[in-house]
Amino acid sequence: QVQLVESGGGVVQPGWSLRLSCAASGFTFNTYAIHWVRQAPGKGLDWVAVISFDGSNKYYADSVKGRFTISRDNSRNTLYLQMDSLRPEDSAVYYCANLRPTDSWGQGTLVTVSS
Amino acid sequence: DIQMTQSPSSLSASVGDRVTITCRASQGIRNDLGWYQQKPGKAPKRLIYAASRLQSGVPSRFSGSGSGTEFTLTISSLQPEDFATYYCLQHNSYPWTFGQGTKVEIK
Repeated sequence: QVQLVESGGGVVQPGWSLRLSCAASGFTFNTYAIHWVRQAPGKGLDWVAVISFDGSNKYYADSVKGRFTISRDNSRNTLYLQMDSLRPEDSAVYYCANLRPTDSWGQGTLVTVSS
Repeated sequence: DIQMTQSPSSLSASVGDRVTITCRASQGIRNDLGWYQQKPGKAPKRLIYAASRLQSGVPSRFSGSGSGTEFTLTISSLQPEDFATYYCLQHNSYPWTFGQGTKVEIK
């Protein structure tokens, strides 16, 4: 079955960097665009970024543009999110998701940015 | 960027009630909209795609309507398992945007 498993979350200080990973299985990873979506504690869903099936196109939310970089390694069926210059407002559960045409989400990984 | 305004932010309802949630887009998005349900501690789950198409496996008491800028999610007869938070998501243009969410609580 389709599975998306995020990892790499943790507690970091403001200004630090963190790289999240998302391991995919159960579907043909290299044919789908994959997204990152986050949710701050007690808040709503916030779309973060997307990468096309072959990595040639990437789009970001304004709030992370210039600080976050999405990438993928289709040979490893893995998605990444490099997060630089982290801010307290980036604290959230980060989900990777295949949103179109299917609907598949990981369980999320928690990122906490705090001094 | 397209803004999605969702209302109400919360509502209280009883089992068996008819519930309606609305999303308004800041510009026309055709029918490029989905509705999601999220329960505490869980990932979201899509209920409706293309504004009005029921996701496979989702009960028929859920329905969606609308096109352009006004969209509605209706639960025809609220069941105990439907108490959750609901979000709309526009995928007409990047950056994609979610509505602020509607928390459906037990009256």
